[in-house]
Order: sequence, then structure tokens, then C-alpha cells
Amino acid sequence: GAVVSQHPSRVICKSGTSVKIECRSLDFQATTMFWYRQFPKQSLMLMATSNEGSKATYEQGVEKDKFLINHASLTLSTLTVTSAHPEDSSFYICSARLRGGKNIQYFGAGTRLSVL
Amino acid sequence: AQSVTQLDSQVPVFEEAPVELRCNYSSSVSVYLFWYVQYPNQGLQLLLKYLSGSTLVKSINGFEAEFNKSQTSFHLRKPSVHISDTAEYFCAVTTNAGKSTFGDGTTLTVKP
Repeated sequence: GAVVSQHPSRVICKSGTSVKIECRSLDFQATTMFWYRQFPKQSLMLMATSNEGSKATYEQGVEKDKFLINHASLTLSTLTVTSAHPEDSSFYICSARLRGGKNIQYFGAGTRLSVL
Repeated sequence: AQSVTQLDSQVPVFEEAPVELRCNYSSSVSVYLFWYVQYPNQGLQLLLKYLSGSTLVKSINGFEAEFNKSQTSFHLRKPSVHISDTAEYFCAVTTNAGKSTFGDGTTLTVKP
């Protein structure tokens, strides 16, 4: 149980285009989902916390208009990288917290974004 | 605020040798402690967690970690490693509010 599906696993796009990444909790309800960014050989950096039905809470230094987060249901959150540029190339990972769970996060497999 | 320090960025060991990956944390509030493993180009998989109760927690694949409150540590150990244990390991703390802080990771490389 507690599977988080993240799609796509890899995306290559041209500079200036927008990319949407989906994060789904397959077998549980997740009131809270998290979006992380990971640079090569580095740790995870929390970008934002997404609560179902409300606006996402962004970490300091993360551009809200650049990284649009929508959490429309208890099983789906999306991250849209708008007008992507090469510096946005990174590994993006989502996680979901089990509703009523003990702060255990279940992670998606990640999305490798490459902006040309 | 919370912080997590993984004292070793890289740990090379030979197959079947024991290994310890060190993790220290600081926090002004109570936290839950986690170890995650990440294989190349994949997300994180939960390896171990300490929420409450016994301070020694074990995984199904032979890893164990012990929560030491006085030393604010949560070191990860395995008595005999396999080639397949080669991966990146992250220690993390999570507050009651659900916010997680990760260490910088330790690359475990198991050599034949």
C-alpha cells in the first residue's frame, strides 16, 4: 500500500514551454503533498507544501508564478513549470502524506526535467 | 528550526563488511526520524522510521537504526552489506506539523 505515482518520469522540452508534472496517491488519500527539487549529488530542497483545496505554501525563494501547484483532489497534485528555462532543469520529486498518518511521507519516483 | 547533519558524504566499504552511516539532528521541537534510500534516477524509498517506543528500529533487509535522544543521533547500521545496498541514503526529521528536513545524503558504495 501507500503508493505514489509521479508522471512523467522524464521530460525534455524547449526553453519557453510549460511542463506539467502529476503526483497521484494511488491507494490512499493525501491531504498534504510536498514538492521537492533535487540537484545532482545534493539533498532534497522543499519547494512547496500543497494542501487539498487550498493554495500551496511556498518556501522562501521559490517563485509562485514560476512553479504553479494545484491540489484539486485528495489524490492528485500537479506542478507546472511555466516558461521553463535551462536553469529549471532538475529532478523534481513529490511526496504525499497519508491522511491521518503519522507524518510519514511516501515519495514518487521523480521527474527528470531537461530544458534545452 | 530543524537541521540534519550526515557526517559522511561518502562511505566505501567491501561486500559483507559492516557499515554505519551517521546522522545527527537538532530541533527545538519533537521530531520523527527517518532514513530513506535513493537509487539512481529514482525517488526516495522509506527504509526506517522512528516515531515512538523502542529506540532501536529495524528494516526487513537487515538495516537498523537507533534513536539516541541525549546525543540527538539516529545512526544507520548494517552488520553485513551487499552490492545491492549501493545507493544514496538520506536521514530526515519531520515535525508534528509535517515539515521535513533532509540531510545532504551519504553515498554508500559497496565494492566486491
